[in-house]
Amino acid sequence: AQTVTQSQPEMSVQEAETVTLSCTYDTSESDYYLFWYKQPPSRQMILVIRQEAYKQQNATENRFSVNFQKAAKSFSLKISDSQLGDAAMYFCAYRRRLIQGAQKLVFGQGTRLTINP
Amino acid sequence: ETGVTQTPRHLVMGMTNKKSLKCEQHLGHNAMYWYKQSAKKPLELMFVYNFKEQTENNSVPSRFSPECPNSSHLFLHLHTLQPEDSALYLCASSVRGASETQYFGPGTRLLVL
Repeated sequence: AQTVTQSQPEMSVQEAETVTLSCTYDTSESDYYLFWYKQPPSRQMILVIRQEAYKQQNATENRFSVNFQKAAKSFSLKISDSQLGDAAMYFCAYRRRLIQGAQKLVFGQGTRLTINP
Repeated sequence: ETGVTQTPRHLVMGMTNKKSLKCEQHLGHNAMYWYKQSAKKPLELMFVYNFKEQTENNSVPSRFSPECPNSSHLFLHLHTLQPEDSALYLCASSVRGASETQYFGPGTRLLVL
């Protein structure tokens, strides 16, 4: 069974600084997707970034980027120029890549990110 | 983001009550999901529906009963719940297929007394 581990229950960063959230996963599959979701106090789960395992290039979305190390099964999220609105719980998630059908996400325990003004 | 809506947003019920949670997606997706988010635990998948057919039941107790009348609507019927069922219940939807991303609703905060 696939598992996702986020070893940092809480992180904090000064506004405008850079922070990196860690995620490791365990799978025997070679083709899969990885995601970072953000859950602010409103509880709405929002997709931050997505990475396809078959792509060697790390995904980026504006101030958000990932460091995907497939051999090490590591998938960290880097947030540059942190803003107060980035404060939230961040969840790392894994999903198998199959041709058809709805696929379940496996989530990590989450990292609570605090932004200090 | 209003692509996936959930009602009610908050619900308090007794252990003998019967209530239903509703999820509606306006994204043209074919797959819908129920997740449970308890304090200090990872999100747990409960049910998956693919084109109205239930494709996964993640060992959920029978006091939770899902219903998917069409690809846009998903219900979770609740009866004789326990206090430990208090949690945030999240609905998600996705396009059926390999490259899909799941989009989540705002959740229903449930308290069982």
